[in-house]
Amino acid sequence: GENVEQHPSTLSVQEGDSAVIKCTYSDSASNYFPWYKQELGKRPQLIIDIRSNVGEKKDQRIAVTLNKTAKHFSLHITETQPEDSAVYFCAASSWNSGNTPLVFGKGTRLSVIA
Amino acid sequence: KAGVTQTPRYLIKTRGQQVTLSCSPISGHRSVSWYQQTPGQGLQFLFEYFSETQRNKGNFPGRFSGRQFSNSRSEMNVSTLELGDSALYLCASREPHMETQYFGPGTRLTVL
Repeated sequence: GENVEQHPSTLSVQEGDSAVIKCTYSDSASNYFPWYKQELGKRPQLIIDIRSNVGEKKDQRIAVTLNKTAKHFSLHITETQPEDSAVYFCAASSWNSGNTPLVFGKGTRLSVIA
Repeated sequence: KAGVTQTPRYLIKTRGQQVTLSCSPISGHRSVSWYQQTPGQGLQFLFEYFSETQRNKGNFPGRFSGRQFSNSRSEMNVSTLELGDSALYLCASREPHMETQYFGPGTRLTVL
């Protein structure tokens, strides 16, 4: 089955700097890669996702890149702000009529220091 | 639309007891997935239901079971609770034929 590795497990950055979180996956059939943000005591919320037919996707200060050959994808957050502090999870699934579950990485705790 | 809701939000049980958790998906969402979240293991998939049928099951013992009703609401049951079952149990729903999952706030289960 699919296995998703996520690094680093913790990340501290100064406000205004960029943050990068990396994930690798094992199943070459995976074609859907969402990223979730979970603030303390709250539910995971989707912040961006990418499908395997796209190499990069941006949404304001957030971007995700995908390298299908190397089987890795990354989350980039630019101009970090204190409210970006949270745990970020990557996930992967093989989307084929919706019958493959999401497999999550173990999360990255991002701290943005003001 | 209202978001995914879960009840109860907090639960304290003792070893050997059983527990039932409930999840109400977003209106129109027919798929409900359940996840166990622990500090050490992260988010682990339990099972997914679609139109009252279990579509996928994760690698959990048979003590963990679930079901879905005709209105898409779902319940999960854990029997013979163990200390290691203490976790945040999250459910997520999605629209038919769409990948995006929306999570509920979770039920925090503590087993003493």
